[in-house]
Amino acid sequence: GAVVSQHPSRVICKSGTSVKIECRSLDFQATTMFWYRQFPKQSLMLMATSNEGSKATYEQGVEKDKFLINHASLTLSTLTVTSAHPEDSSFYICSARDQQGVYEQYFGPGTRLTVT
Amino acid sequence: AQSVTQLDSHVSVSEGTPVLLRCNYSSSYSPSLFWYVQHPNKGLQLLLKYTSAATLVKGINGFEAEFKKSETSFHLTKPSAHMSDAAEYFCVVRRNTGGFKTIFGAGTRLFVKA
Repeated sequence: GAVVSQHPSRVICKSGTSVKIECRSLDFQATTMFWYRQFPKQSLMLMATSNEGSKATYEQGVEKDKFLINHASLTLSTLTVTSAHPEDSSFYICSARDQQGVYEQYFGPGTRLTVT
Repeated sequence: AQSVTQLDSHVSVSEGTPVLLRCNYSSSYSPSLFWYVQHPNKGLQLLLKYTSAATLVKGINGFEAEFKKSETSFHLTKPSAHMSDAAEYFCVVRRNTGGFKTIFGAGTRLFVKA
């Protein structure tokens, strides 16, 4: 089946620094990718939707200048958390939608971000 | 508009007894419905999905769910719980027409007692 990978799986960074998370569709092309955030013991909340070659669409309340999303190719999207603060610590999960067949949505394994 | 409600935040069962995790949904369109499982500090694993074919859907690890349009429900069941089933379960509704949108339920934590 289709596989979505994320890198890194875990990252610890200092407050004020930026961190980049990569999301790749390994065996299919994804015109659309999604970024979710999950706080401990809570559900997934959609942060933004990115389409290859165009600007991401952010959900209400998500700071686009803080969470920079780039979807430069059909297999790669990146999320950069800029000037990270401890409250940005969370589990970030990406998802990719294939552009053929039944347009299924596949989820990555997640990235645990800890800001100290 | 779409929404999904998982009726129980926690469910506790004994090993070997049946599991029932309840999910109600609302959707203006004919939705696709999914159940995902998430073990601690892990990503999501798809258990099963309903996409307008058979209303009784069989998934992995002995789980199944029945789509009941009249009740707008999509409850997840398993005849006999195993210790390894202890995890968080998410019911998900997805709209495929009029704009692709996925909505997650709040999750149900399943505890399995020995």
